[in-house]
Amino acid sequence: QVQLVQSGAEVKKPGASVKVSCKASGYTFTSYGISWVRQAPGQGLEWMGWISAYNGNTNYAQKLQGRVTMTTDTSTSTAYMELRSLRSDDTAVYYCARDLHDDYGHPMWVYWGQGTLVTVSS
Amino acid sequence: DIQMTQSPSSLSASVGDRVTITCRASQSISSYLNWYQQKPGKAPKLLIYAASSLQSGVPSRFSGSGSGTDFTLTISSLQPEDFATYYCQQSYSTLRTFGQGTRLEIK
Repeated sequence: QVQLVQSGAEVKKPGASVKVSCKASGYTFTSYGISWVRQAPGQGLEWMGWISAYNGNTNYAQKLQGRVTMTTDTSTSTAYMELRSLRSDDTAVYYCARDLHDDYGHPMWVYWGQGTLVTVSS
Repeated sequence: DIQMTQSPSSLSASVGDRVTITCRASQSISSYLNWYQQKPGKAPKLLIYAASSLQSGVPSRFSGSGSGTDFTLTISSLQPEDFATYYCQQSYSTLRTFGQGTRLEIK
């Protein structure tokens, strides 16, 4: 069965960086892209970006351009999301989600990681 | 970016009620629209994809409709486990976006 297991909670100071991992199992890792979605406390869902596990191509949300980097390690079937220059409003639960498409090419996210809480506080 | 606007932001309803949530896109997204349900402390769960297709395992009381810019999620007869927050999400653009969410509460 498809599983996405994320790394544990992190506490960071403003200005620091954080790198969250998402280890995939139960499928061929390079066949599907991975998106990252975050949710600040009491707030809605925010799409952060996407990476192709096949070739490493990325798309990032405009507001995070320059601060976020998504990578994959195909040898360990793991996706990573690094966020730099952390601010207090980056405090959120960060989720990874695996792409899936229906027969007509409509993308969707069925499989999600359990979420990683990143707290930014001085 | 494509903006997604949901209404209402919150909704109080009773078990057995029929409930409709709407989602409007800032430009046409054809049928590239998904609906997710989220409960506190949990990852979102896919309910509807491609605007009107019911995800496997999701109860048939959930349905979706619409195309272009206007979409709806309908729950035909609310059950206690349906009280949650619902999000629409467009997958037309490679820059994905969510609606702001609709919190469905017990009246």
